Amino acid sequence: EIVLTQSPGTLSLSPGERATLSCRASQRVSSSNLAWYQQKPGQAPRLLIYGASSRATGIPDRFSGSGSGTDFTLTISRLEPEDFAVYYCQQYGSSPYTFGQGTKLEIK
Amino acid sequence: QVQLQESGPGLVKPSETLSLTCIVSGDSVTSGNYYWSWIRQPPGKGLEWIGHVSYTGRSNYNPSLKARVTISVDTSKNQFSLKLISVTAVDTAVYLCARFDSSGWFDPWGQGTLVAVSS
Repeated sequence: EIVLTQSPGTLSLSPGERATLSCRASQRVSSSNLAWYQQKPGQAPRLLIYGASSRATGIPDRFSGSGSGTDFTLTISRLEPEDFAVYYCQQYGSSPYTFGQGTKLEIK
Repeated sequence: QVQLQESGPGLVKPSETLSLTCIVSGDSVTSGNYYWSWIRQPPGKGLEWIGHVSYTGRSNYNPSLKARVTISVDTSKNQFSLKLISVTAVDTAVYLCARFDSSGWFDPWGQGTLVAVSS
C-alpha cells in the first residue's frame, strides 16, 4: 500500500499570498496518478486536480498541480477567502487507493 | 449536475451490520466508465477508501475491509449501497459516497453521514 504524507499539517497564510502544499508518496506513483481535493467544513470534498496537473472542470486557474514519482505539489497562486479549507491528495496508481492525512489551510 | 446523498442509521450496535445507501441524481448508475464508491473518515483521521463497484458487478475492495464489506448497485432505484458486517467502535466514522472515474479519481462526492458504533 502506498502511504501519502502531506506537509505541512497546518498552513497559516493571508489572502493574496501563495500557498504551496506537499504530498510525498512512500513509493513511486505510476503515471502521475495523483489527485487533489478540497474539503470545507460540512461540505463534500471537491476534486481540484487529477493526473497530478490537470485541473478539474470549473476549477480556477490559481490552482495548479505539479510533480511526479514520489513528490507532488499543489500551489494556489493567490489565496482567496474561499480557499481556506482542508486539502487532501490521493493516489490511484495502485490499489488500494490511498489518501494523505490532509493539510489545513487557515487564515493567518 | 450530478449529486450524491448518503442515508442510513446514525447509530449501530457492536457486532451488527452497518447499512448505508447513496442516492444518485443527475446521472445514471449505469453510466459507462464509472464505478460507485464508499470512503470513510474516522473522527480526527484521514480518508480511507472502502471499495467500489460497477453496475455490471465488477468490484474492488480495500483488502483491510474486504472480508466484511459488500457494495451493491440498484439500477431500478439509481442508487448503491454499503454493508459492513461485524462492526466495532473502530468503524465509527463519517461515511462518504462518491463516483469513481475508471481513470482513478473520485468526483463528485456526497456530503457524508456520521455513523457511530456503540451499544
